[in-house]
Amino acid sequence: RKEVEQDPGPFNVPEGATVAFNCTYSNSASQSFFWYRQDCRKEPKLLMSVYSSGNEDGRFTAQLNRASQYISLLIRDSKLSDSATYLCALSGSARQLTFGSGTQLTVLP
Amino acid sequence: GAVVSQHPSWVICKSGTSVKIECRSLDFQATTMFWYRQFPKQSLMLMATSNEGSKATYEQGVEKDKFLINHASLTLSTLTVTSAHPEDSSFYICSANVGDSNQPQHFGDGTRLSIL
Repeated sequence: RKEVEQDPGPFNVPEGATVAFNCTYSNSASQSFFWYRQDCRKEPKLLMSVYSSGNEDGRFTAQLNRASQYISLLIRDSKLSDSATYLCALSGSARQLTFGSGTQLTVLP
Repeated sequence: GAVVSQHPSWVICKSGTSVKIECRSLDFQATTMFWYRQFPKQSLMLMATSNEGSKATYEQGVEKDKFLINHASLTLSTLTVTSAHPEDSSFYICSANVGDSNQPQHFGDGTRLSIL
């Protein structure tokens, strides 16, 4: 079983739609959780950290459920510029990141 | 914010060539840096953890004699792909932490390596 499972998509949604991504993880000792965005042929860029209480940044909401071992990302009112691959990532005490396979999102006009 | 610089951005070379990739932390010191590899349409996979002043820690399946890592200073880690072959063609990305493990990592721009 993979350490991090993520639906690869692709997700094709119209502008203005709400879209949600989920990742499940197997290592209950994981300490920190993140969502990254990666544009084609570019490095991943941090979108947001994920906290147990849930956190929101504008149109983006991230949630962590430690009991069920999953994290989620919700994008509201999606824009064309949101088109990218979204990667969940987690780390333990050793700091290195384990990434999900990435979910490709295309927002259509 | 913290900046990680990676050089070169693109490398195209013949099979059998050794290629060195540099990863620098520009405005902070990084005792630990990480090297990832990403094949087309796949996710980033950790190759090794680079530790300043000591040997790198390699992930299972990554050949330490093939991928030489040197972390001689607090701001520079290098990855050398020795005797590169076409199957080594990939996107190589380094990253570093600022602060403790709860802080997100900052990534370099990545190096796209193509071996002919």
